[in-house]
Amino acid sequence: AQTVTQSQPEMSVQEAETVTLSCTYDTSENNYYLFWYKQPPSRQMILVIRQEAYKQQNATENRFSVNFQKAAKSFSLKISDSQLGDTAMYFCAFMKHRTTSGTYKYIFGTGTRLKVLA
Amino acid sequence: DTEVTQTPKHLVMGMTNKKSLKCEQHMGHRAMYWYKQKAKKPPELMFVYSYEKLSINESVPSRFSPECPNSSLLNLHLHALQPEDSALYLCASSQMGQGSYEQYFGPGTRLTVT
Repeated sequence: AQTVTQSQPEMSVQEAETVTLSCTYDTSENNYYLFWYKQPPSRQMILVIRQEAYKQQNATENRFSVNFQKAAKSFSLKISDSQLGDTAMYFCAFMKHRTTSGTYKYIFGTGTRLKVLA
Repeated sequence: DTEVTQTPKHLVMGMTNKKSLKCEQHMGHRAMYWYKQKAKKPPELMFVYSYEKLSINESVPSRFSPECPNSSLLNLHLHALQPEDSALYLCASSQMGQGSYEQYFGPGTRLTVT
């Protein structure tokens, strides 16, 4: 069974600094998707960044980038130039869809609560 | 329009009540999802509809009954709930297929069962 582990329940970072959130997962699949989602306090969850496992190149979205290590099953998120608006709960998620059997897994890690300090 | 809407925002119901949660999206997504999220916990997948057919039911008690009337709408019918069912219920939608699956979430319905 797939599992997603986020070992840092809480983190803080000074505004304008860089922070890295860790995520490891366990799967026997070869093709899958990985995501980082952000859930600000009392606001809805939004996608931060996506990575397809078959792509070796690490995904980047503006100040957000990932370090995807497939062999190590690691998928960390780096936030550069942290802003106050980055304060949120960050969830790492694993997704696998088998179209032949219709089985579907979307598994979230336990989350890392990030606070950006002024 | 990249919005998923959910109604109501808040719902308080007794254990003998019947109520429904509604979700709507107009992004042409063919997959829709229901999640349950307890405070300070990750979302837990409950149901997945793919092309308006129930594709996944993650062993959810029968007091939760999903319905997908068309590709834009998703309902969750509630009956005889227990206090431990109090939670934030999130709806999401996504494309299905290579290069997609990223989910767009609604703001959620905060449910309290008394």
